[in-house]
Amino acid sequence: DAGVIQSPRHEVTEMGQEVTLRCKPISGHNSLFWYRQTMMRGLELLIYFNNNVPIDDSGMPEDRFSAKMPNASFSTLKIQPSEPRDSAVYFCASSEFGQLNTIYFGEGSWLTVV
Amino acid sequence: GENVEQHPSTLSVQEGDSAVIKCTYSDSASNYFPWYKQELGKRPQLIIDIRSNVGEKKDQRIAVTLNKTAKHFSLHITETQPEDSAVYFCAANKDDMRFGAGTRLTVKP
Repeated sequence: DAGVIQSPRHEVTEMGQEVTLRCKPISGHNSLFWYRQTMMRGLELLIYFNNNVPIDDSGMPEDRFSAKMPNASFSTLKIQPSEPRDSAVYFCASSEFGQLNTIYFGEGSWLTVV
Repeated sequence: GENVEQHPSTLSVQEGDSAVIKCTYSDSASNYFPWYKQELGKRPQLIIDIRSNVGEKKDQRIAVTLNKTAKHFSLHITETQPEDSAVYFCAANKDDMRFGAGTRLTVKP
């Protein structure tokens, strides 16, 4: 399996622009997680889905952030409008559904908002 | 939700010494505790995990212990090597996966 696939790997955008990050989970995994990593706040859970349904989005920082999972093999995280403080590495991760299952991370999307 | 505390935030040891990283969690319903290693510029990768029906697990130079009563678990690395230098994260899984703040381990040759 190719693992969790994220795109883009790197993005530099201007403040105010819309940013869309994409994720393809491991085939057969039905839980998907979006994390944000910064030096100051570590690995923050933004939102997670089970069977394509958002379960907990309490970690989404503001209304500028939204996430969707239209099918079992694709998810997006959108920031509109972007701000410099959104600069971070955004990781997507997936696992088999259930409490005792390991999650596997994608390579991350490195976002810089200038 | 679950809250995971991790200590220390940085740890420096001499090659060959042992390193210990400790974590506590808040929700007694959590029952899966993985540890991830993240090298610079890379993704976090699982190195060892423990489930709540087990008190200790070992894999070569790394071991994890779990005390469910006290709600804490620890990572032990013995005979450290320079390639062990990385950031280590603990996590606790109830309905989702919450991570500690990370420990930056430096192993000096």
